[in-house]
Amino acid sequence: GESVGLHLPTLSVQEGDNSIINCAYSNSASDYFIWYKQESGKGPQFIIDIRSNMDKRQGQRVTVLLNKTVKHLSLQIAATQPGDSAVYFCAENVGGGADGLTFGKGTHLIIQP
Amino acid sequence: KAGVTQTPRYLIKTRGQQVTLSCSPISGHRSVSWYQQTPGQGLQFLFEYFSETQRNKGNFPGRFSGRQFSNSRSEMNVSTLELGDSALYLCASSSSTSGRKFGELFFGEGSRLTVL
Repeated sequence: GESVGLHLPTLSVQEGDNSIINCAYSNSASDYFIWYKQESGKGPQFIIDIRSNMDKRQGQRVTVLLNKTVKHLSLQIAATQPGDSAVYFCAENVGGGADGLTFGKGTHLIIQP
Repeated sequence: KAGVTQTPRYLIKTRGQQVTLSCSPISGHRSVSWYQQTPGQGLQFLFEYFSETQRNKGNFPGRFSGRQFSNSRSEMNVSTLELGDSALYLCASSSSTSGRKFGELFFGEGSRLTVL
């Protein structure tokens, strides 16, 4: 089965609210995680990454949390905007790229006006 | 700086045919990876090329192949097309120079293949 998976296929939030997208992984050897955003008709776009020696990393309006104990990853988006509507994928890598990235199925984030 | 460019963007083939897709990475990037995206299986890793050598390979049949040229441009080929090969094929380039250090990937917009 797939090593990386997302808990919810669709997440709907009000514009201006914060959103949290979750991801679980099963391979304890995974040491690098990335969140991608994919808008309709476009390729995935890098949002933020985190390595296993960290448990939190912040970017502009986004925060990624990594809980290695329960093999859980989350992406928090603050003050969501209409442009945040997209499918969000988590991806993992083990040991530096030998098997490429393993992607989860994705969560479709819908921003309600 | 130009992004990753993939051609063609859309194409339609019939079963049994073969197809070649092209990818031009970001200038200076020497690593090029290919991914297949389908509604059912999501994004799946096909292979990665670095300095004209296939460095890593995913779990796809031998009908899927690729190559990289000296200018880092890459092509992938699918022979004897099947209906299930209908997908968005995404190319990504990376500044990663070492197999042990995985940089972020920059994806192109993909080539959407429909097999009839």
